[in-house]
Amino acid sequence: GDSVTQMEGPVTLSEEAFLTINCTYTATGYPSLFWYVQYPGEGLQLLLKATKADDKGSNKGFEATYRKETTSFHLEKGSVQVSDSAVYFCALSYPEEKLTFGTGTRLTIIP
Amino acid sequence: GAVVSQHPSWVICKSGTSVKIECRSLDFQATTMFWYRQFPKQSLMLMATSNEGSKATYEQGVEKDKFLINHASLTLSTLTVTSAHPEDSSFYICSARPVGGHGELFFGEGSRLTVL
Repeated sequence: GDSVTQMEGPVTLSEEAFLTINCTYTATGYPSLFWYVQYPGEGLQLLLKATKADDKGSNKGFEATYRKETTSFHLEKGSVQVSDSAVYFCALSYPEEKLTFGTGTRLTIIP
Repeated sequence: GAVVSQHPSWVICKSGTSVKIECRSLDFQATTMFWYRQFPKQSLMLMATSNEGSKATYEQGVEKDKFLINHASLTLSTLTVTSAHPEDSSFYICSARPVGGHGELFFGEGSRLTVL
């Protein structure tokens, strides 16, 4: 079946550092790919998405590119802030199908 | 953006009682809603898919008689944990897919259940 493998955390970085959270997937077709973020005490929020190969999703300084050749959707940000501390989930879905999540990566940014 | 609201956001109950959690899409209609359970430091586990006007579809290993799901309208789904026990204590999260969407889901803020 479809699955998502995420970089295990926790990840701790200093403010203004470069961030990469790896995500790879297995799927029989061409799914849509998502990154969700969960801030402390809150529900998940969609951070960005990409619906086809080579698409780049971006939001709030975060970016991820849908790489079909490597089945990856790595999340990157050039300069993280303390407010980016959260749990990040990579996910995939087909249209009209349910989301499959990775295990989540907890990110902590220290001043 | 689309808003999904859950109520209550936290609840404490005694063992053996039942608890109902509501999930509402505030500014869009959703024929499909999903209920997840999140254990500490783990990913969301899909419990069931709630379809407006029909029976919910439960994932393998989820007891449908214990976790009753009702999706009576295009903006409301409810999850009732019946005869709750301490092992049911968890963070329950719902999500809703807007009609005409493209796989995108909007999540509620979650409901933390503690069973004493």
